[in-house]
Amino acid sequence: AQRVTQPEKLLSVFKGAPVELKCNYSYSGSPELFWYVQYSRQRLQLLLRHISRESIKGFTADLNKGETSFHLKKPFAQEEDSAMYYCALVRRGGATNKLIFGTGTLLAVQP
Amino acid sequence: GAGVSQSPSNKVTEKGKDVELRCDPISGHTALYWYRQSLGQGLEFLIYFQGNSAPDKSGLPSDRFSAERTGGSVSTLTIQRTQQEDSAVYLCASSTGLAGLLAPHNEQFFGPGTRLTVL
Repeated sequence: AQRVTQPEKLLSVFKGAPVELKCNYSYSGSPELFWYVQYSRQRLQLLLRHISRESIKGFTADLNKGETSFHLKKPFAQEEDSAMYYCALVRRGGATNKLIFGTGTLLAVQP
Repeated sequence: GAGVSQSPSNKVTEKGKDVELRCDPISGHTALYWYRQSLGQGLEFLIYFQGNSAPDKSGLPSDRFSAERTGGSVSTLTIQRTQQEDSAVYLCASSTGLAGLLAPHNEQFFGPGTRLTVL
């Protein structure tokens, strides 16, 4: 079954420290993965997608098929990075492409 | 115009009552999704509308849940005989483009959500 696992409900770090938000997936085909972010009092929004191999707000995520992981990383955390982060996987099938979300990780960056 | 809108922003109801939640997607977006966001449960897919195709209802948790999309635009999620476990934030999202095996995934734009509390 397709699944996205985010093992940490809460990750607390100090400003300037490195951040790694973990995401593991199970998918039988070629996965297409994303990170979505929800800042306090704001809407859920796309942060980055693996296919673009982009860096957004200093965050990067590399797809590791061997470890079935798509961890989100940033070398130096900022207070404004505090938010809820969701890893998501596209499940393709027929006329439907569904996003399967993990349970989310709350990142708290302490001053 | 603006992004996806949802109404009401908050709804408090009594157990056993019916509720209707509304979603206005971005104009021109053919795909519309409903999700439920609960503490510790992440984002749970409920239902998906794509153009004139039959909706994918596979995520609806029970037959008390139903949704319609009129004229390919506005959607209403209805929960009948609400239960306390229905309390959650209900999110709507829309995107453009087609689904299917060969279609690229299109970014989903989310609404602000409706917080439902069942007493």
